[in-house]
Formats: sequence, structure tokens, C-alpha cells
Amino acid sequence: DAGVIQSPRHEVTEMGQEVTLRCKPISGHNSLFWYRQTMMRGLELLIYFNNNVPIDDSGMPEDRFSAKMPNASFSTLKIQPSEPRDSAVYFCASSPPGTGGYNEQFFGPGTRLTVL
Amino acid sequence: KNQVEQSPQSLIILEGKNCTLQCNYTVSPFSNLRWYKQDTGRGPVSLTIMTFSENTKSNGRYTATLDADTKQSSLHITASQLSDSASYICVVSHPSGNTPLVFGKGTRLSVIA
Repeated sequence: DAGVIQSPRHEVTEMGQEVTLRCKPISGHNSLFWYRQTMMRGLELLIYFNNNVPIDDSGMPEDRFSAKMPNASFSTLKIQPSEPRDSAVYFCASSPPGTGGYNEQFFGPGTRLTVL
Repeated sequence: KNQVEQSPQSLIILEGKNCTLQCNYTVSPFSNLRWYKQDTGRGPVSLTIMTFSENTKSNGRYTATLDADTKQSSLHITASQLSDSASYICVVSHPSGNTPLVFGKGTRLSVIA
């Protein structure tokens, strides 16, 4: 079975450019999460969707960040304009429906973003 | 403030030895606690999930313990292997389930021959 798929795996861009990260969750999973990981701050939850609806976006750092989930099999995280401090590894994760609080999350391989 | 603190930050052990990683949390109320293993260049992979009513959970050579009274958890690795070299992340969640999640910064374990 294919796991969570993310693209691109690596992205190098210049400050001010728009960056779009993509995620395909595991088929049948109804929750999707976007995380950011840096050495200084560790893993941070940015936003999560349930049944394609954004539930909690309190972790989104600022208005430059936006996320969409147009259907159950695709989500994007966009940064516009990008800044050097956005450099990090961005992970997407999904989890299946089930009893609350016990759902395991399956992580994708991540996108390493470098903003010059 | 809800926090998860892990110790040590990094650890080097010889292959075959045991080790224990610590996680202290202040998250309240608390739903479940998870330990993840993250290999370099990869996403985290779940090792164990424990609810507040569980004291221990094993996954092969990995055994997690939980003391909800003292808000402490540990991950014990038995007979370490070179492939255990990774970061181990403790994550605590609120009763609502998947979110919000509070992450520790992880312990970087290096197993050497």
C-alpha cells in the first residue's frame, strides 16, 4: 500500500517567491495534518482537516501560510511570499476514522524547504 | 502552559545495551501519550499509544510506561541495535483526540558498534 505521498521532496526557492507543497493522504483516511519541523522548535502542528474541512488552524504562523483540501485525496500548503525563516521540513500526516483520541497518524516523507 | 519536556536531548550507547528515554508533560486534561521514532530524513513512525488508564505498552524491544499521577512517561529500549539510531518524540494529546497535540523536541539516540 502506498503511504502518505508528498511532493516535492526538496524545494529551494528565493525569498518572496510562492511555494506550494502537496500531499496525498492514505486512501480511506479522513483526517489530514500539516506539520513543520525545525531543529530549534521540533515538530509543530500547523493545521488539520477532518473530512476535508479545516478544524484547527491555530498553528499557522501567519497570513502568508494557507492550506486547502479540495477533496479527500489531495491537500496543499501554500506560502506566499516565502521568507528564509520558513526554511524547514514540512510533513503531512493522515489518520483513519475511528474512536476519538486513539487514532494513529501516518506521516509522509516530508518536503525539505530552503528559502534563500 | 501545556508542555512536553524530553530528556536527555541526545544519547550515545553501545550496541546491545539498554537505555531509557524520559518524557515529562504538563498537558491537562490528557487523553493519550504517543512515542514516535523518526529516522533521519524520514517522517515519524508510531511506536506506542497509551491512554491515561494504561501503565505500560510494548512493541517488540520497545516498552513505554506511563505514570499519569506524576505526568511522566519513559521509553525503554532493550538490547539496542544500530537501527535504533533515530530521534524519539513524545507527543501528548488533549481529550478531543487528534488535536491539539503537544510535541516534545525529541531525544536523539545514537547506537554505536
